[in-house]
Amino acid sequence: SAVISQKPSRDICQRGTSLTIQCQVDSQVTMMFWYRQQPGQSLTLIATANQGSEATYESGFVIDKFPISRPNLTFSTLTVSNMSPEDSSIYLCSVNSPSGETQYFGPGTRLLVL
Amino acid sequence: KQEVTQIPAALSVPEGENLVLNCSFTDSAIYNLQWFRQDPGKGLTSLLLIQSSQREQTSGRLNASLDKSSGRSTLYIAASQPGDSATYLCAVTNTDKLIFGTGTRLQVFP
Repeated sequence: SAVISQKPSRDICQRGTSLTIQCQVDSQVTMMFWYRQQPGQSLTLIATANQGSEATYESGFVIDKFPISRPNLTFSTLTVSNMSPEDSSIYLCSVNSPSGETQYFGPGTRLLVL
Repeated sequence: KQEVTQIPAALSVPEGENLVLNCSFTDSAIYNLQWFRQDPGKGLTSLLLIQSSQREQTSGRLNASLDKSSGRSTLYIAASQPGDSATYLCAVTNTDKLIFGTGTRLQVFP
């Protein structure tokens, strides 16, 4: 299985600031996925990031709020911009398994916005 | 729109009990259903994957069943242990996306 790391593991941020979350995979992958898990809620897909192209955002998520970079096949960043307390969540990145049947997840970044 | 619901939301049991976690989904046109385990600070781990054509999958003390026509799945945990304490999530695959339930938070006490 792929080994996925995320930085930071957690952070406490002030309203109005931005935070960039990094996701590193130990193997080359075509697609990387970013999810949000709000307190007491299920995981919700924010966007799919393909290397060399614009990320594809799900309904309710926009690039201005969650800009994504995908500079190579092992790395991606998600920025949470102009944060508000409603952005307090766990943010997870994931990649497909080689068979494509399941996904491997990073440990998550726990964000608290004051 | 696919919706996935899990019952109960939380469960606390003594060690040794057999458990059943429930998952229901509204759209039966799924490719597969998965059960994940989520541990704090460790992300998600896939436990069992059931293809839409299958009825059940087993791994050790875990058994997952799928009734696609009724939109239900159950995860059976035999002889629960404190190490089973975690949040259990079910997720269905529609087209190429995973759609998650809200999870069942399980605590097994010695």
